[in-house]
Amino acid sequence: TQLLEQSPQFLSIQEGENLTVYCNSSSVFSSLQWYRQEPGEGPVLLVTVVTGGEVKKLKRLTFQFGDARKDSSLHITAAQPGDTGLYLCAGFVTDKLIFGTGTRLQVFP
Amino acid sequence: EAGVAQSPRYKIIEKRQSVAFWCNPISGHATLYWYQQILGQGPKLLIQFQNNGVVDDSQLPKDRFSAERLKGVDSTLKIQPAKLEDSAVYLCASSLNGQGRITQYFGPGTRLLVL
Repeated sequence: TQLLEQSPQFLSIQEGENLTVYCNSSSVFSSLQWYRQEPGEGPVLLVTVVTGGEVKKLKRLTFQFGDARKDSSLHITAAQPGDTGLYLCAGFVTDKLIFGTGTRLQVFP
Repeated sequence: EAGVAQSPRYKIIEKRQSVAFWCNPISGHATLYWYQQILGQGPKLLIQFQNNGVVDDSQLPKDRFSAERLKGVDSTLKIQPAKLEDSAVYLCASSLNGQGRITQYFGPGTRLLVL
């Protein structure tokens, strides 16, 4: 059974701080996605990473896929209250999407 | 373009009662998914449809859960009878197809509380 562990589980920071969320597995994934889910809404896709070692940037968010395609990280620079939400990584295994355990981020003004 | 629609948004029932959720995917999307998201966890796939056929229902508790997508468009998920541990958000998602690195679009979910 593939398992995607995210850390930390909870993160509470002040506006302007930097943070990193980790997504780790013992399994290899063909690609990995990151989603953000706000209260009362469904997850929204942020990015898909495909190649081992790949780095993608989305404004203040930087996503990295591990060289062995077993792990990934999300780094947010100068966090803002609008970044508040549940961050989920999800890996593809034979066309099936396996979600991670989630990281709940709260950014205070 | 309209997103994935789900109803109801909230439902409170007592254990052993029945409940049904409805999902209307994005127009033209052949693949439809139902996920269960328990508080504090990531979504778990319950069932995947390709048009009106079931692709994967390996994690669907078939003794109490059922789902159908008769005309290959909208879908219903039913729980009968409900248990306390079924309290969760039920998310519906759709994608153009179910192969490769697809993008799934999620609805807002139905929040179920079983008392």
